[in-house]
Amino acid sequence: DADVTQTPRNRITKTGKRIMLECSQTKGHDRMYWYRQDPGLGLRLIYYSFDVKDINKGEISDGYSVSRQAQAKFSLSLESAIPNQTALYFCATSVVSGTFQETQYFGPGTRLLVL
Amino acid sequence: AQSVAQPEDQVNVAEGNPLTVKCTYSVSGNPYLFWYVQYPNRGLQFLLKYITGDNLVKGSYGFEAEFNKSQTSFHLKKPSALVSDSALYFCAVRDMWSSNTGKLIFGQGTTLQVKP
Repeated sequence: DADVTQTPRNRITKTGKRIMLECSQTKGHDRMYWYRQDPGLGLRLIYYSFDVKDINKGEISDGYSVSRQAQAKFSLSLESAIPNQTALYFCATSVVSGTFQETQYFGPGTRLLVL
Repeated sequence: AQSVAQPEDQVNVAEGNPLTVKCTYSVSGNPYLFWYVQYPNRGLQFLLKYITGDNLVKGSYGFEAEFNKSQTSFHLKKPSALVSDSALYFCAVRDMWSSNTGKLIFGQGTTLQVKP
């Protein structure tokens, strides 16, 4: 979905390096999410944010941190990258309309390789 | 705890034949169910969702899914498969108790291969 962009699209880094993955959206959605995708495991939630002042840990937040710089921007940082953080990372956005009416929309993904 | 199972890693179908991609779920309370598709080198695209109402939900690209509460299933279907439907399909669930958190639980994905 072109309304959700992720940079970079591909990244190779070395163990111990700090890296940042960025997500921007033009949808005007309040809610933003970071997931990682591993083969055979589906997508797992790392962090989520319901507005600029709200940050919440997901199921696999260890080794990651996030920053919600503005409504439209949500960055994911790996403080000290390790090889098992090699994965495909997705950002998603959503807005709640009505009772339980929420659909998440995903960016194109960032493929990260940690050597 | 919420969970989603997609029992088939891969489904192979001939073009023009009907296809089914299976999904079963486990939640406490009413489920909210979603299907997403991931084409090669692309992000996940929303296909359809079930919140309430009719058990048969119609979505994008001619896909539909049938919610079956007694079997706790939400299988994705299409009457006539196209080669261009070949992709990775994810089922996801959210229960009413986590609706305010927005958390989605994803299945492991099923690769659909449609052969000419």
